[in-house]
Order: sequence, then structure tokens, then C-alpha cells
Amino acid sequence: ETGVTQTPRHLVMGMTNKKSLKCEQHLGHNAMYWYKQSAKKPLELMFVYNFKEQTENNSVPSRFSPECPNSSHLFLHLHTLQPEDSALYLCASSQRGTSNTEAFFGQGTRLTVV
Amino acid sequence: RKEVEQDPGPFNVPEGATVAFNCTYSNSASQSFFWYRQDCRKEPKLLMSVYSSGNEDGRFTAQLNRASQYISLLIRDSKLSDSATYLCVVRRGTYNQGGKLIFGQGTELSVKP
Repeated sequence: ETGVTQTPRHLVMGMTNKKSLKCEQHLGHNAMYWYKQSAKKPLELMFVYNFKEQTENNSVPSRFSPECPNSSHLFLHLHTLQPEDSALYLCASSQRGTSNTEAFFGQGTRLTVV
Repeated sequence: RKEVEQDPGPFNVPEGATVAFNCTYSNSASQSFFWYRQDCRKEPKLLMSVYSSGNEDGRFTAQLNRASQYISLLIRDSKLSDSATYLCVVRRGTYNQGGKLIFGQGTELSVKP
């Protein structure tokens, strides 16, 4: 079973709703990531956190707001989303500092914006 | 041009076939290379890292040609359970340099009985 847990697994929300995605990693890693996977498109990196500090924001719209209270937890707060934001949102973690460190992914949250 | 490009697929092959996936990357600063596997509606999982000398793991062989900026994955004696999408992944720099993983769009493989 994966050491990265995401909740909820599925989410349907209206464009005026506010919701949050949660990610927890049990691997002792120091870096966490949010990726977006839309149909027929490559995974797109959204945010990177190292030791709880955001080190990268890949020009993500402000309607997506990440939060990293500690190195094991990562949230993605959603508000006033658009239908084109419907996608699979994947959280990942890794141990920064090793040259060939792989990323471990959670099972994702499948988001539908209606 | 996409930074990581893969064969568009899908590949439909019979059990026992040998199948090869190709991937090219455009950023010569890329330092680490991986193949990930993603099953339908599931998360990507690391299949194998790719080293300059080439590496093999059972039926899977990965090769890297830095001069041509080309990565390949060969699957021999394919099984039904190999059906999945295969993602070519490169990292620009090391993590200490702020390197991040860049994913190709994936190549879908379907192995038929």
C-alpha cells in the first residue's frame, strides 16, 4: 500500500464552493508536491514544498491555495473553481538531497467541477 | 516542443510479444531519468530508474543515450498484467539544485490474450 494517503478520493463541487484536498505521507520525506493530471495531458507540477516551505509555484491560479503545516501534511484549498479545473490531483513526496530520489504518489483525488 | 516526448500509442500487442517504448527529452541539463507505470485511474508508480550504462530488471530493460537525449524501455515476453500507461520522466538537475520531475504524456500499452 502507498505511504502517501490522499482524501477524499472523489470530489464533486460547484463553482462557488470551497473545499480542501488533504495529503499525508508516512515515509519521513522532506519534500511534498501537488500535481494535476488532466485527460490526455502529462502530469503538471503545481506546487513544491521543502521542509514546509513553498519553493515552487508553477504559475498556478490563485483559486488553488496550498498549505503545508508540517513536513507530513499537505493541503490544497479550492475556491471558485472552473469546469476546466476538473482533473486528477495527485500528491507526491520524496526525500530531497539524494540524486536519484523517486517520487511516491498518493492515489489522487478525482475532482469534478460542475 | 514538449520537454519530454513519447510515442503516442496506444500499443496493442499479443501476450509474449516484445514491445519497445521511445522517449526524447529536450533539456540537456536533465540529470536523472525514470520510467513510471500508471494503471487506469490509479497513481503513477516507479517502474525503474534509467542509468547511462543501461539497466535490466527481469523482463524490463531501460537504456539512456545522453548524446541523442533519448531513453527507451523494452518489455520482453509481455504479460496481460503489463497493460498500463508508461510514463517517461526526467529531472532537471538534482533535488539540491531545485530539480523537478518532468513527465511525458505517457504511452498506453494493451496486452491481449
